[in-house]
Amino acid sequence: ILNVEQSPQSLHVQEGDSTNFTCSFPSSNFYALHWYRWETAKSPEALFVMTLNGDEKKKGRISATLNTKEGYSYLYIKGSQPEDSATYLCAFMLSTGRRALTFGSGTRLQVQP
Amino acid sequence: DSGVTQTPKHLITATGQRVTLRCSPRSGDLSVYWYQQSLDQGLQFLIQYYNGEERAKGNILERFSAQQFPDLHSELNLSSLELGDSALYFCASSVENGWDEQFFGPGTRLTVL
Repeated sequence: ILNVEQSPQSLHVQEGDSTNFTCSFPSSNFYALHWYRWETAKSPEALFVMTLNGDEKKKGRISATLNTKEGYSYLYIKGSQPEDSATYLCAFMLSTGRRALTFGSGTRLQVQP
Repeated sequence: DSGVTQTPKHLITATGQRVTLRCSPRSGDLSVYWYQQSLDQGLQFLIQYYNGEERAKGNILERFSAQQFPDLHSELNLSSLELGDSALYFCASSVENGWDEQFFGPGTRLTVL
C-alpha cells in the first residue's frame, strides 16, 4: 500500500502571509508527483506535474520543489490571498505497474482577509 | 472548465439498484480515470482506460465495472448498490498513459438511500 502523507492537515493564515505545505511519498520507484488545487464545490485542478529530482515549478505566487531521493515535495504560496483558500492535494505515481495516482488527504488552506 | 463532462450531476437511488455514470473526456485525450471520494476518505483511484482498453485497476469493487467506447467516452456501472457506495465519483482524462496531468470533470454525487 502506497503512503502519501500531507502536512499540515489544515492551515489558517492571514491575507499577505506566505505559507508552505509538505507532501511525503515513497522514495523508491518514483515516476511523478502531481499537485492539485481543489476549491469547495469544484473539481481538482492541476497545478504542477514534477518528474525530476530537484525540479522547481512556479505559477504566479505558487511554487513547488521536489526531492525524490528523500521522498518529499514542498508547495509554497507567497502573499496568500483569500482566493487561495482551497484544499491542496499531492498525488504520487509509481514507475512500475499501473499509471495511477495515489492521492494524499490534502492540506486545507483558509486565508482570512 | 476542464473540458471533461460528467452526467448526471446528482443521482439519488435506493439500495440494491444499479446506476450508470457517464464521462466524456477532453477532445484528444485517450486516457480516462475514475475516482471515488467518500465522506471520510481521500480520492481513491478505481480504474483507468486507455484508448478503449483497461490499463489499471485500483480499489474497485466487483459490483462495479467500467468501459471505454470507440468514441472514447466512458461509463462506470455500479450495481447492487449499498449505503456505503454514496460518494462523489470523478472522472479525469489525460492525453496519454504517462505522467501527464489529469483533467477532472465536475463529478457525479451519488446518494444511496
